[in-house]
Amino acid sequence: NAGVTQTPKFRVLKTGQSMTLLCAQDMNHEYMYWYRQDPGMGLRLIHYSVGEGTTAKGEVPDGYNVSRLKKQNFLLGLESAAPSQTSVYFCASSHRQGGRYTFGSGTRLTVV
Amino acid sequence: DQQVKQNSPSLSVQEGRISILNCDYTNSMFDYFLWYKKYPAEGPTFLISISSIKDKNEDGRFTVFLNKSAKHLSLHIVPSQPGDSAVYFCAATITSGTYKYIFGTGTRLKVLA
Repeated sequence: NAGVTQTPKFRVLKTGQSMTLLCAQDMNHEYMYWYRQDPGMGLRLIHYSVGEGTTAKGEVPDGYNVSRLKKQNFLLGLESAAPSQTSVYFCASSHRQGGRYTFGSGTRLTVV
Repeated sequence: DQQVKQNSPSLSVQEGRISILNCDYTNSMFDYFLWYKKYPAEGPTFLISISSIKDKNEDGRFTVFLNKSAKHLSLHIVPSQPGDSAVYFCAATITSGTYKYIFGTGTRLKVLA
């Protein structure tokens, strides 16, 4: 049972490039989340989804887009990467409202 | 506006002693709290939780205390072990009406052998 899988694990982008981070979960969880972790800032919510076909903005959504076309997948897109988006990105899922999260192992993104 | 705060970025404790990690929150509507543990290059993993109807929850060496009047929770690890060295995040949520946790900034615990 893989849990939550994030791909890629590492990526270096040039300013202005685009990319998509993939999160896949095999636990049939309804809720999925994208967080970023920065030094001194903890984990901040970017976007989340409460079910297939739904998305909503979190605390820091600017510069990111998301899609949840299939229940098991939650994609995070950067249309035009900026150095301020250098961070470690974590995907998480939970089976119910307020339920504890299962996290992926993270994607370390560097924008130069 | 940081709704969940961990004011100590780091803590060092001798092996076998007690580790106390603190967390403060500002939103009185929070009714469920969790602690997550994170090792380098891994995602956070769930450690222990507490509902606002309780003031203490214990799981082995880990105990979480909740003081609602002070809007404060703490995680006690007794006895501390070198394998406990990690970053600890507290998180809070409102279980009705929202779908997301607010995380603190984390405390890096180092347990010295």
